[in-house]
Order: sequence, then structure tokens, then C-alpha cells
Amino acid sequence: QQQVKQSPQSLIVQKGGISIINCAYENTAFDYFPWYQQFPGKGPALLIAIRPDVSEKKEGRFTISFNKSAKQFSLHIMDSQPGDSATYFCAASKETSGSRLTFGEGTQLTVNP
Amino acid sequence: GAGVSQTPSNKVTEKGKYVELRCDPISGHTALYWYRQSLGQGPEFLIYFQGTGAADDSGLPNDRFFAVRPEGSVSTLKIQRTERGDSAVYLCASSLGPSLARANYGYTFGSGTRLTVV
Repeated sequence: QQQVKQSPQSLIVQKGGISIINCAYENTAFDYFPWYQQFPGKGPALLIAIRPDVSEKKEGRFTISFNKSAKQFSLHIMDSQPGDSATYFCAASKETSGSRLTFGEGTQLTVNP
Repeated sequence: GAGVSQTPSNKVTEKGKYVELRCDPISGHTALYWYRQSLGQGPEFLIYFQGTGAADDSGLPNDRFFAVRPEGSVSTLKIQRTERGDSAVYLCASSLGPSLARANYGYTFGSGTRLTVV
């Protein structure tokens, strides 16, 4: 059972555009939703995270929008840059599980110059 | 060190052999996690340590996989009788504590060990 579904699988955006990646989850016990960025040959790195008591969180060019009733959350990258080209993973965890993360399948983002 | 260190970075082994993968977490991080990432997929949870004990090993796929953390710092993931299906990148991560949400900090992942079973 895939608990976190991510789309699209790949995304191509022009420099300066907005990149949007979506995730949906099934387990209503999840209470922490991070996004990770991964470059080839490296481990994932935490980008931004949100808890379900807020609907939006913004850090620089990165924004998470969270819809608790729909069990969906999304990552928006404003003013996308070629350096943002990477694979992005959404994830979810619940406090009582010791923060074991369930990851989505990933989105390969390419930002063309 | 400044980050999570994993050794070796690459390991090629023959089917049926035994391998050990090492993880050096960030100093002072009490929580340590192992994940496995297959090509084109997100990381999949294997095991979580809080201190020296395995708090959750429910992600280990079968009894050929075992992990230890005897002194609450370095951890070793051990795979017996390797199979071609074990080929993947094995990621280790550490954090200050198990409550990511409460403290709003995430894991720090290492760069992984790429295991290839031929």
C-alpha cells in the first residue's frame, strides 16, 4: 500500500517559472510533512517542512501548501533556477513512530536556462 | 564530523556473500535511521535506533538483514547471503532526537553506499 503518492514523475520548467509538485497521503495519523531535495550521488536534504495545524509555510522561494481535508500538500518553487534541477521527494511521518518517514516516489525537476 | 559519513561509498559483491555497511552519524545525534533507495524510487525505511537499541526494525525485509549500534554512535548494517535484488543505495540518517515535528528539524542524510550484487 503506497501511503504517499507524488506527482508528476518529472517536470520541466523554464528559468523564472513556477514549479509545482503535488503529494497525497492516506494515513490521517501523519502529523509532519517535509520535502527533501536530492542531487545525483547525494543523500536527500531537508528543504522545508510543515505541520497540519497550518495551511501554508514559506521559506524564501519555497512554499508548502497544505490541505488537511483533502489529505494533500504541494511544493511551489517560485522563480525556478537551473540550480534547482534535482529530484524532490515529499514525505510524511507521525510523532509516535519515532519520526519514521514514508517517502513519495519523487519528481525529477529540470529547469531550463 | 560535520555530516553523516557512510563507508564505503560503493560496494560490489558477489551473490551469496556477506557485506557490512558503516554509518558515522553527526556527533551528539541520538536517533539513527537506515533507508534503502532503489533506482528511481523514494527511500524506504529499514530500521531506526534511539541510542543503542533498535526502536523500530519493522522495515527490514527479511532475516538476512541486521543492524547494530553497540555504543550509540556508529552503526553497521549487515546483509547476509546477498541477492541481486539487494542492489540499491543504502542511506543512513541521524537527528538530534526522534521528534522531528516538535523541534522542526529534519534528518541529515549521508551520501549513501551504493551496493551492487553481481
